[in-house]
Formats: sequence, structure tokens, C-alpha cells
Amino acid sequence: EDQVTQSPEALRLQEGESSSLNCSYTVSGLRGLFWYRQDPGKGPEFLFTLYSAGEEKEKERLKATLTKKESFLHITAPKPEDSATYLCAVQESSRDDKIIFGKGTRLHILP
Amino acid sequence: DTGVSQNPRHKITKRGQNVTFRCDPISEHNRLYWYRQTLGQGPEFLTYFQNEAQLEKSRLLSDRFSAERPKGSFSTLEIQRTEQGDSAMYLCASSFRDYGYTFGSGTRLTVV
Repeated sequence: EDQVTQSPEALRLQEGESSSLNCSYTVSGLRGLFWYRQDPGKGPEFLFTLYSAGEEKEKERLKATLTKKESFLHITAPKPEDSATYLCAVQESSRDDKIIFGKGTRLHILP
Repeated sequence: DTGVSQNPRHKITKRGQNVTFRCDPISEHNRLYWYRQTLGQGPEFLTYFQNEAQLEKSRLLSDRFSAERPKGSFSTLEIQRTEQGDSAMYLCASSFRDYGYTFGSGTRLTVV
């Protein structure tokens, strides 16, 4: 059974305090790993797709990295508007349909 | 076309009643997905369409649930004889092939 585990469950940071969110996964073969941001009461918003170990992608204060067993979402000098739940999801290489989500990390940036 | 549209945004229903939700995907997207999300959890896969064909259904989708996508356009998700455990956010997403999902804002169902 595919499994996606995100840690920590919740994280409170001061504005400007950089940190990283972790996503570990177990699939028989990885087709893609996705990061989404979700604000309360809204649907997930796509951030990044990573396909192979060593790949990195950046968007504003966020950078996602991928190894063979985990991915990190690094947030540099966060602002209060970065507060949200960050979801990680994986797609198995033998399938091209559903993606499996982790439970997410609730990030709160204090001004 | 500004994205995936879901209606209604909120639905409150009495236990035992039937409800139907609608999803309008991005027009050029041939794949459509339904997920369910409860508080503090990530979205859980329910079912998936490629054009009008329903290709996979999760074990979470009991006999009380049915989904359709006539003519490969919009989709409906119906829940019959609702139970309190059906209370959740129902999310729809669409994609072109498997090039990333775009989610709608969801329909929040409350069964009382």
C-alpha cells in the first residue's frame, strides 16, 4: 500500500524564520511527487511537481527538493501570508491515474 | 475558463436524504477526479474519469455513491441515503493527461 507521511503535523514560525517541511514516501516506483498549498475552506493549489531524485524547483520563498525516499519543502524568510496547510502527494510509476496525499503540515507564520 | 467550478459550495442535509454535487472541469482537460477530505486529513481518492469513462473507483465509494460524466464534460457525484459519516469536503480536480491536477474549491457537506 502506498504511503505518504508528512512531518511535522503543525509548525509555528516567526516571520523571517526559515524552516523545512518533510514528506517521506513509499511507492514501488515514483512517477511524480507533488506539493500543494491549501487555505482553509478552499481546494488545494498546485505548487510543484518533482520527477526524479536530485531535482529542485523554486517559487518565491519556496523550494522543493527530492531524494529517493523523501522530499523537502524549504521556506525561506516566510511571511504571514505563507500560513496554510502544505500537502504532499505521490503518483506511482505503474499508474497514471490517482495521486495519494499525505495528511499535510499546518504552517502558521507569526507576524 | 478560469478553473474548476464546483456547486454548491455548501450543502446541509438531513440524514437519509439524497444529495448531488456538480463539477465543471477546465474545458480542455480530459481527466476528472473526485476526492473527499475530512478535517485534519489529506484528500482521499474516490473515483476518476477519462473523458466519459469511469476508470477507477476507490473502496471508499460505497454502493450509496455514484458518479457520472456524461459526454465527457461536467460530472456529478450523488450520495444516496446520506449518513453522518458522509460529512466532509468533496473536491473535484481535472487534468490533461496526467500533467498535474487543478482542484476546485470543493463542496462542503454537512449531514445532520
